[in-house]
Amino acid sequence: KQEVTQIPAALSVPEGENLVLNCSFTDSAIYNLQWFRQDPGKGLTSLLLIQSSQREQTSGRLNASLDKSSGRSTLYIAASQPGDSATYLCAVSLQGSSRLTFGEGTQLTVNP
Amino acid sequence: DARVTQTPRHKVTEMGQEVTMRCQPILGHNTVFWYRQTMMQGLELLAYFRNRAPLDDSGMPKDRFSAEMPDATLATLKIQPSEPRDSAVYFCASGLVRPRETQYFGPGTRLLVL
Repeated sequence: KQEVTQIPAALSVPEGENLVLNCSFTDSAIYNLQWFRQDPGKGLTSLLLIQSSQREQTSGRLNASLDKSSGRSTLYIAASQPGDSATYLCAVSLQGSSRLTFGEGTQLTVNP
Repeated sequence: DARVTQTPRHKVTEMGQEVTMRCQPILGHNTVFWYRQTMMQGLELLAYFRNRAPLDDSGMPKDRFSAEMPDATLATLKIQPSEPRDSAVYFCASGLVRPRETQYFGPGTRLLVL
């Protein structure tokens, strides 16, 4: 059974800092890995999707990397802003299935 | 601005009552997912459909939960009878198989069973 772990569970940083969120998964036979953002009381918004054949994806100040062999992904946020405050979730799907297995999330607070 | 819509947004009901949640996926998306989110269990997939056919409902308690897609514009999740442990936020998401399988989430239905 695929298990996804995210570290840290919570993170508080001052505005402008660069930060890294970590995600690990137990079964390396993934199809893709996605990073989502969830604001309080809202649904999830997809940030980045990395196919299993890719090493990284970038969107603006966000960069996600994937090391399938070690079962790890990182989400790098550059020059953090208070508007980045949210919970960030990592999710993986296995080959042959659209089922996503989610981590518990990292709750990020960026202080002005 | 295409988005997934869910109704109702909030539901309070008493134990034993039937609850029906509805989802309108983004037009053209052929895959629809139902998730449940709780503090204890996090986000879990209950079931998903492709081209209106159920592909995986292994996460759904079969004795009280049922999910259907009467047509391409409507997905329903029904709980009968409801129990306090069903209290959670239920999310619907839709997407395409190709090219990238990104899932687009609705705002959720917050359910409280008393």
